[in-house]
Amino acid sequence: GENVEQHPSTLSVQEGDSAVIKCTYSDSASNYFPWYKQELGKRPQLIIDIRSNVGEKKDQRIAVTLNKTAKHFSLHITETQPEDSAVYFCAASRGGGGNKLVFGAGTILRVKS
Amino acid sequence: NAGVTQTPKFQVLKTGQSMTLQCAQDMNHNSMYWYRQDPGMGLRLIYYSASEGTTDKGEVPNGYNVSRLNKREFSLRLESAAPSQTSVYFCASTTSSPYEQYFGPGTRLTVT
Repeated sequence: GENVEQHPSTLSVQEGDSAVIKCTYSDSASNYFPWYKQELGKRPQLIIDIRSNVGEKKDQRIAVTLNKTAKHFSLHITETQPEDSAVYFCAASRGGGGNKLVFGAGTILRVKS
Repeated sequence: NAGVTQTPKFQVLKTGQSMTLQCAQDMNHNSMYWYRQDPGMGLRLIYYSASEGTTDKGEVPNGYNVSRLNKREFSLRLESAAPSQTSVYFCASTTSSPYEQYFGPGTRLTVT
């Protein structure tokens, strides 16, 4: 089955700096890669996702890149702000009926002001 | 439009007790899921229901059962709770496409 590894487990950056979180996946049939943000005590919420037919996607300060050959994808946050502090999870799925997501273990991002 | 709702928010059980976690969604989604979240381990899939009338095991199904009561509701049952089932449980739902999964607020379960 699918296995998703996520690095680093914790990341501290200064406000205004960029943050990069990386994930690798094992199932070459996976074609959907979402990123979720979870604030303390809250539910995970989708912040950006990418399909396997696209190499990069941007939404304001957030971008995701996908390298299908190497089976890895990354989340890039530019101009970080204190409210970006949270746990970030990557996931992978084959999509389709059922759409089972396999999650990485998460990255705790701390933005220091 | 409430999205995905879960009850209860908190629960404390003694070892061996049983309980059912309830989940409902009002977005007319076909698929529903139950995850558990433990520190340092991300979200792990317990069971899912791709459509009304079907259920399948996920990564960590042992000790749990599920019922897809109708299109809106998907319940998770612990027949004989164990301390290893202490966790935060999230329900989620999605349509077939787009694939975004919407999560409920979670249930924090402690088994003593």
